[in-house]
Amino acid sequence: DGGITQSPKYLFRKEGQNVTLSCEQNLNHDAMYWYRQDPGQGLRLIYYSQIVNDFQKGDIAEGYSVSREKKESFPLTVTSAQKNPTAFYLCASSYLSPGQDEAFFGQGTRLTVV
Amino acid sequence: AQSVTQLDSQVPVFEEAPVELRCNYSSSVSVYLFWYVQYPNQGLQLLLKYLSGSTLVKGINGFEAEFNKSQTSFHLRKPSVHISDTAEYFCAVVGTGFQKLVFGTGTRLLVSP
Repeated sequence: DGGITQSPKYLFRKEGQNVTLSCEQNLNHDAMYWYRQDPGQGLRLIYYSQIVNDFQKGDIAEGYSVSREKKESFPLTVTSAQKNPTAFYLCASSYLSPGQDEAFFGQGTRLTVV
Repeated sequence: AQSVTQLDSQVPVFEEAPVELRCNYSSSVSVYLFWYVQYPNQGLQLLLKYLSGSTLVKGINGFEAEFNKSQTSFHLRKPSVHISDTAEYFCAVVGTGFQKLVFGTGTRLLVSP
């Protein structure tokens, strides 16, 4: 079955550590996205990518980094520069064709700083 | 740029009652509109979308939404809710031509017996 897989489902990070969240899709989608979700704030865009080896900052990119070396993969690294990383992280993907660009979401990764 | 406003952060309703979740948007270009549902600790699932044509859009689980261009609204409705509809609902908009998908802050629907 086609879909988006995020791993791990739960992740614990110590202060000062970098951690990487995985996102893989087999839907042949061109675009991929990372969102951060905090209670009462909806979904905020961290980074997005329309094509391999290219990506753009979203609204809250500081303290995060991404790569897009393969069409299927868009890992997110939460660096030690992110001062408040505890949140629910959602990866999504979509086609770029008009009318087919609804986003499909993974099941999320809950990151907690301990 | 686009923006989305969901005025109600929480909507309590009794089972089998009708419900409307409000969504207003702003955009300087034509838009596509979406409603997503999120169950606890899960990703988002598409309920319905408006691309063009009929302004009344039917989605999964008995939900429907009506696009009103003059009022820049895309309210979600269901004539009779079930306990299982308890979830968070997000309205989203994207401008035509590739642009970022922008989400509202969500509305938590609480259905009680």
